[in-house]
Amino acid sequence: AQKITQTQPGMFVQEKEAVTLDCTYDTSDQSYGLFWYKQPSSGEMIFLIYQGSYDEQNATEGRYSLNFQKARKSANLVISASQLGDSAMYFCASPRGGFQKLVFGTGTRLLVSP
Amino acid sequence: GAVVSQHPSRVICKSGTSVKIECRSLDFQATTMFWYRQFPKQSLMLMATSNEGSKATYEQGVEKDKFLINHASLTLSTLTVTSAHPEDSSFYICSARGGRDRTYEQYFGPGTRLTVT
Repeated sequence: AQKITQTQPGMFVQEKEAVTLDCTYDTSDQSYGLFWYKQPSSGEMIFLIYQGSYDEQNATEGRYSLNFQKARKSANLVISASQLGDSAMYFCASPRGGFQKLVFGTGTRLLVSP
Repeated sequence: GAVVSQHPSRVICKSGTSVKIECRSLDFQATTMFWYRQFPKQSLMLMATSNEGSKATYEQGVEKDKFLINHASLTLSTLTVTSAHPEDSSFYICSARGGRDRTYEQYFGPGTRLTVT
């Protein structure tokens, strides 16, 4: 079974600083992947970044990077140079059932202050 | 590309009535669509998975007779909440797979906020 854990219910960061959002996972699968999504107050789910278990390098997408540590089963999201528009809920998720279904963590609410 | 729309974005209905929510993939063929439910300040919970032309697969604890899902075409899936009650009030989000790029990625619709009075 796939289980995703996000232990930080809320995080605060000042504008222009970097922030790390934690995500740990529990899986017995040999091949798996980790997603991060952003959900602003409007409710839409915005795809940020993906890392596959066999990807050798940590994924990066603009200001987003994934600190993937397989031995620790963690896939933390790093947001560099935070912006006010980054304030939102952030969910870590992983597919199960042959990449069919997504299992989501409980989310972390990020608040970026000026 | 890979845009998913939902309609309506908000709906208020009276207890006992049925509500239909549409999920459309606008620029790709969605072989699989997913329906999620999200209560305030909580995470997304998968309700069901639907593949075009076949019956939906419901998650444990989701009443299939109450939440009717129809995936009639490669671009449209509908969720009908039958005989809605106030406890069905929630945010319903659909997602779709089958985009031309990475097949593991799900593209989410903007969600539908249902309020049952």
